[in-house]
Amino acid sequence: SQKIEQNSEALNIQEGKTATLTCNYTNYSPAYLQWYRQDPGRGPVFLLLIRENEKEKRKERLKVTFDTTLKQSLFHITASQPADSATYLCALPGYSSASKIIFGSGTRLSIRP
Amino acid sequence: ETGVTQSPTHLIKTRGQQVTLRCSSQSGHNTVSWYQQALGQGPQFIFQYYREEENGRGNFPPRFSGLQFPNYSSELNVNALELDDSALYLCASSLEQIVDTQYFGPGTRLTVL
Repeated sequence: SQKIEQNSEALNIQEGKTATLTCNYTNYSPAYLQWYRQDPGRGPVFLLLIRENEKEKRKERLKVTFDTTLKQSLFHITASQPADSATYLCALPGYSSASKIIFGSGTRLSIRP
Repeated sequence: ETGVTQSPTHLIKTRGQQVTLRCSSQSGHNTVSWYQQALGQGPQFIFQYYREEENGRGNFPPRFSGLQFPNYSSELNVNALELDDSALYLCASSLEQIVDTQYFGPGTRLTVL
């Protein structure tokens, strides 16, 4: 079955540095991959979508890469700020109507001043 | 803000009871997806409604049921509550069954005692 793995351990980064989060998936070739941000007790907020024919996508300080050979996506936040502290989720479309979209368990990112 | 609202914000029920959660979609969106998010986990797809019909269902028992109304608002009903049903319940609205662009509400925190 489809499986998504994100680093379950929290990532602590010094302000100003680049944060890099990893999303690995197995048993699947998705047409696209999404990244969301989620703050405690709130719903996920869509950040970026990258399609299988795109190697890289950028939005302001965010950069996402998608390596379909490695079955991996990397999510980078450059010049990180304390306000970037949140949980980041990656998500893939499911391959059946029983799994419209599948989320990873998320990685908690903390940016210390 | 996404324009998706959910009510109530928090709810406490006891085992065996029934609960109804409500979601109001973003204006113009005709598709609603419901998710269950346990603590420390990513959202899990429960089901999707498109134009008032169930359009895909995840691995949840029949005691989880839903409705979508002509104005595209939606309800999630859970019967015979179990302790493991304690979670954040999220709805997300989108257009035409598409989940690559969906907007989440703030969620309803359900606690089952």
